[in-house]
Amino acid sequence: DQQVKQNSPSLSVQEGRISILNCDYTNSMFDYFLWYKKYPAEGPTFLISISSIKDKNEDGRFTVFLNKSAKHLSLHIVPSQPGDSAVYFCAARRNTGNQFYFGTGTSLTVIP
Amino acid sequence: DGGITQSPKYLFRKEGQNVTLSCEQNLNHDAMYWYRQDPGQGLRLIYYSQIVNDFQKGDIAEGYSVSREKKESFPLTVTSAQKNPTAFYLCASSLQASNQPQHFGDGTRLSIL
Repeated sequence: DQQVKQNSPSLSVQEGRISILNCDYTNSMFDYFLWYKKYPAEGPTFLISISSIKDKNEDGRFTVFLNKSAKHLSLHIVPSQPGDSAVYFCAARRNTGNQFYFGTGTSLTVIP
Repeated sequence: DGGITQSPKYLFRKEGQNVTLSCEQNLNHDAMYWYRQDPGQGLRLIYYSQIVNDFQKGDIAEGYSVSREKKESFPLTVTSAQKNPTAFYLCASSLQASNQPQHFGDGTRLSIL
């Protein structure tokens, strides 16, 4: 049973525009959420995270929004750059234990 | 530089053979994890360990075994009982403290000859 879902397998965006990647989760016990960026044949790189006590966290061009009532989080990239082209995974961790649950990923292509 | 090292990057196995994937970290992290990634799928947890000499099964542990004799090392053995071992394997580690991300190695691609 997939507890973290990314329903869009791919997304294409023009350079300079906003990229919005979405993620839904089902487990209300999740209290820590993360986004990772992954290039082919490499390991995922941590991008940004948010605790469940917040609804927004910013780091440069990257902002993560958390809507706990909807069990939804999103990653905004503004402005998008060609180097942002990669697969993005969202992940979540329960408030007990140290196990992380990953979505299936969204492949972002930023068109120059 | 601190990080996670997985070796080898590419590995080939004959049918019926066991093979061990190496994962070493010098981040002083307590917890270590093994994931498997198949095309078009997310990361699925095989095993994880929160402390030396202790580990727990993840969602797809069948056909795999691990050991955690040292804090820095968490090798994964893919046994002959694993019916579909061809995949990209990722090792990760994290601090046990709350709100700390996992850090990943660059992965090992295992293929069956």
